[in-house]
Amino acid sequence: EDKVVQSPLSLVVHEGDTVTLNCSYEVTNFRSLLWYKQEKKAPTFLFMLTSSGIEKKSGRLSSILDKKELFSILNITATQTGDSAIYLCAVEAGNSGYALNFGKGTSLLVTP
Amino acid sequence: DTEVTQTPKHLVMGMTNKKSLKCEQHMGHRAMYWYKQKAKKPPELMFVYSYEKLSINESVPSRFSPECPNSSLLNLHLHALQPEDSALYLCASSQEGGTGGTYEQYFGPGTRLTVT
Repeated sequence: EDKVVQSPLSLVVHEGDTVTLNCSYEVTNFRSLLWYKQEKKAPTFLFMLTSSGIEKKSGRLSSILDKKELFSILNITATQTGDSAIYLCAVEAGNSGYALNFGKGTSLLVTP
Repeated sequence: DTEVTQTPKHLVMGMTNKKSLKCEQHMGHRAMYWYKQKAKKPPELMFVYSYEKLSINESVPSRFSPECPNSSLLNLHLHALQPEDSALYLCASSQEGGTGGTYEQYFGPGTRLTVT
């Protein structure tokens, strides 16, 4: 059975801190790993990673994939209160290429 | 524009009602998805349509009936639901899926469904 495990499940930091969120996976026929940010409603797309060792970056957020060790990290530097959200990791796997297996998410709270 | 729209935003229905959820995208995406998300849980895949054909049904009960009238629209028809079906129903779309490539899925804002 495919598994996606995120850690920590929740995190409280002060504004300005740097955080690292973890996602490990065990799936059959890995295709891609995606990070989403979910506030009150829909998950919003952050990154998709398919190749090992190549960092994706967008502003203060960055992510990297290690296909050998089967994990990814999402880094957020100089955190702001607007970064407070649930961060979801999802892995696309299998021959059909459709199914997104989500982890349980990391709930991040950034305090002023 | 990476917008997926869903209507209604909120829906309250009784167990004997019939209602429909609607989803629309104008990004030219050829794959569309329905997910169910319970509180404090990640989204769970229900159905996938690819090129307007149902390609995945994740063992969803028949009281949920999807329909894809055209490449931009996706409906979810609801009938005789149970209170445990109360959840956030998310629609998503991607450029395409399957063995042709891997593309990110974009989510709509969801419909918050309450079954009484």
